[in-house]
Amino acid sequence: TQLLEQSPQFLSIQEGENLTVYCNSSSVFSSLQWYRQEPGEGPVLLVTVVTGGEVKKLKRLTFQFGDARKDSSLHITAAQPGDTGLYLCADSGGGADGLTFGKGTHLIIQP
Amino acid sequence: ETGVTQTPRHLVMGMTNKKSLKCEQHLGHNAMYWYKQSAKKPLELMFVYNFKEQTENNSVPSRFSPECPNSSHLFLHLHTLQPEDSALYLCASSPFGGRRHEQYFGPGTRLTVT
Repeated sequence: TQLLEQSPQFLSIQEGENLTVYCNSSSVFSSLQWYRQEPGEGPVLLVTVVTGGEVKKLKRLTFQFGDARKDSSLHITAAQPGDTGLYLCADSGGGADGLTFGKGTHLIIQP
Repeated sequence: ETGVTQTPRHLVMGMTNKKSLKCEQHLGHNAMYWYKQSAKKPLELMFVYNFKEQTENNSVPSRFSPECPNSSHLFLHLHTLQPEDSALYLCASSPFGGRRHEQYFGPGTRLTVT
């Protein structure tokens, strides 16, 4: 069974700061998804990465997939209070139905 | 608004009660999922339905009974639950089964078992 480790578990920073959160796997991902979950809502997909070394940008968010496809990072530039939420990575590869999630990083951006 | 609705949003039930959670998707998708989200644990897949057929039961206790009458509706019937079953239950849908498709989640039902 693939284990997804996310770090840090909790992060609280001031508005305007930069941050990076990480997702690591015990085995190779064939593809990986990042979701954000806001309080009282379900997760919403941010990005899917498939190719080792891939970098994708979504406004102030930069997603990187490790060369060996066993790790991924999410970097947020100039964080804003609206970025507050639970950031989840999920294994989205293979033939199985349903996703395998990490525990997530709880991010709080203070004004 | 993701196009996936869940009712009720909050539910408190005793261990001897029987209740049902409802999920409806307005996206024309063919696959639907139930996940459980507990504190300090990862989101756990419970059941998967693809074209109304159950394709995955992730070793879920029989006190949870899913039903998928059509591709737009999914139910989770609950009976004789335990306090450790208290959690957020999330429904999701995707165009087809298989992980590579984006999943659209509902807002969840917050369940408390007393």
